[in-house]
Amino acid sequence: EVKLVESGGGLVQPGGSLRLSCAASGFNFRNHWMSWVRQAPGKGLEWVANIKQDGSESYYVDSVRGRFTLSRDFAESSLYLQMDNLGAEDTAVYFCARIYGGYTGYMDVWGKGTTVTVSS
Amino acid sequence: SYELTQPPSVSVSPGQTAIISCSGDRLGAQYVSWYQQMSGQSPVLVIYHDNKRPSGIPERFSGSNSGNTATLTISGTQTMDEADYYCQAWDSTTVVFGGGTKLTVL
Repeated sequence: EVKLVESGGGLVQPGGSLRLSCAASGFNFRNHWMSWVRQAPGKGLEWVANIKQDGSESYYVDSVRGRFTLSRDFAESSLYLQMDNLGAEDTAVYFCARIYGGYTGYMDVWGKGTTVTVSS
Repeated sequence: SYELTQPPSVSVSPGQTAIISCSGDRLGAQYVSWYQQMSGQSPVLVIYHDNKRPSGIPERFSGSNSGNTATLTISGTQTMDEADYYCQAWDSTTVVFGGGTKLTVL
């Protein structure tokens, strides 16, 4: 079964950091771009970041560039999102998604999400 | 930055056809995907490459894309189709989602 399982969410104070993880199984992790998408309470989907299948390049939405870092571990078949200098605007459910077809592809597998709450 | 515009809401009666639009500059020049998100759930891909259905998605879901507008059509809409729907495209190496359309079936 193709599966993505996110973890690492929680309550963090403004200015703090969190590291989200996404464990992939059931497919060849090396073959796919991967992505994080978030959804603030009551809002729509917002793309956060992508990483190429070989991990050589990552791309970010303007609002997180310089604060978030996306990486992947092939030995663990895992994706990581390091989030620093968090603000209230980062409060959201964070979904991990597989991109099928690489650049210009589509997100065919999604995790259940992990919740990040930034509050004092 | 590239933007995709969807109507905030669409309402249909059961059995009718629901049409959800997604507009963006020269959108027809690239592939569009559509996602269904039921309340409290993760998004699910329902259309990719403008008009392809993933395995397990009912035939009543179809899509088209031309000019500046992509369209998701749900024929014979069922109450179980009530959800939020999002279109998605690319802007160079970044992903863009539309604002979402809440489909109400009543």
